[in-house]
Amino acid sequence: GAVVSQHPSWVICKSGTSVKIECRSLDFQATTMFWYRQFPKQSLMLMATSNEGSKATYEQGVEKDKFLINHASLTLSTLTVTSAHPEDSSFYICSAGLKYVYGYTFGSGTRLTVV
Amino acid sequence: AQRVTQPEKLLSVFKGAPVELKCNYSYSGSPELFWYVQYSRQRLQLLLRHISRESIKGFTADLNKGETSFHLKKPFAQEEDSAMYYCALSGSGNTGKLIFGQGTTLQVKP
Repeated sequence: GAVVSQHPSWVICKSGTSVKIECRSLDFQATTMFWYRQFPKQSLMLMATSNEGSKATYEQGVEKDKFLINHASLTLSTLTVTSAHPEDSSFYICSAGLKYVYGYTFGSGTRLTVV
Repeated sequence: AQRVTQPEKLLSVFKGAPVELKCNYSYSGSPELFWYVQYSRQRLQLLLRHISRESIKGFTADLNKGETSFHLKKPFAQEEDSAMYYCALSGSGNTGKLIFGQGTTLQVKP
């Protein structure tokens, strides 16, 4: 149980284009999802908290207009990297879980390369 | 400030040797501490959490509030334990947000 699917697993896009990454909870309903970013050989940094039916909460320093998050249903959150630039190239990971339940499950991650 | 520190980037031991992966944290309230593991080419997965006080795959971790530590230990390392280990903290308020340490690569040599 508690499986999180993330798609795509990797994507290459041209500078200036937008990329959408999906995070789905397959066998449970997730009221909250989290988006993390991981640079090579570095730790995971929380970008934002995605709450079903309401606006996402962004961590300090994360541009909400660049990283659009939508959590329209209890099983799907999307992260859209708008007008991507090479510095946005990174590994993006989502996690999902139920409120008041710890040990959130992680997706397999998306490797974004902007050329 | 909330912070998790894993001082060792790489820990290399021989099979059968004891293992201790260090984790120190900084948090003003009562945090929840976790250890996550990432095996090669696999996703991050929960290994254990301090509130459960359980032993998973032979690993244990005790929260020491006085030393603000949550070190991960195993008495006899196995080759299949080789992986990246992350210590993480979740603050009070049950938000579910995790603050990760930098990670420690455990390499168990035959």
